[in-house]
Amino acid sequence: DTAVSQTPKYLVTQMGNDKSIKCEQNLGHDTMYWYKQDSKKFLKIMFSYNNKELIINETVPNRFSPKSPDKAHLNLHINSLELGDSAVYFCASSQGWPSSYNSPLHFGNGTRLTVT
Amino acid sequence: GIQVEQSPPDLILQEGANSTLRCNFSDSVNNLQWFHQNPWGQLINLFYIPSGTKQNGRLSATTVATERYSLLYISSSQTTDSGVYFCAVELTTDSWGKLQFGAGTQVVVTP
Repeated sequence: DTAVSQTPKYLVTQMGNDKSIKCEQNLGHDTMYWYKQDSKKFLKIMFSYNNKELIINETVPNRFSPKSPDKAHLNLHINSLELGDSAVYFCASSQGWPSSYNSPLHFGNGTRLTVT
Repeated sequence: GIQVEQSPPDLILQEGANSTLRCNFSDSVNNLQWFHQNPWGQLINLFYIPSGTKQNGRLSATTVATERYSLLYISSSQTTDSGVYFCAVELTTDSWGKLQFGAGTQVVVTP
């Protein structure tokens, strides 16, 4: 009965490969996010979707492409992986748009991506 | 400049001690939340608190929006309180829904 689940938990791959991370939430939330946590634990928003519509797109290389097939799912596809992409990627969700409508952010358990 | 600043960066506590973590922000906010990242990396939402005071067990938080700061109080700390505490804000001058995180306070509670 996990609220926000993402797969895989660990991802080890070589430079130049393409990989995807999947996220699903069963909270009935309208808004989903991808955050990146670097090696110094700094968390930065990458993308946000509300009801399948992209609403936040931070300065992220276009090798990163989010896709939301429905409001319960938000996937992240990364092309041509680079060493600097190594990080922990967190999916999150909140109710309503924007997240300031008295709705706390709920995070998944993260995907640790290591690019060799 | 830095829009969300947390202090102290590190804190070592003996079990049973009380402590206060601070979050300063550069502008008025729509939204402020506190999170705990445990040693296994899980991020848990502690409080949604753009203003006022809330309590949840041994934890409480106060946000004084007019003075642009928020405080997180940990009372009678336990080893399970160890981890990193993050403050995140949605500034009114920023994109809606965009929570900006501070650098965190690393807390270690020793037995």
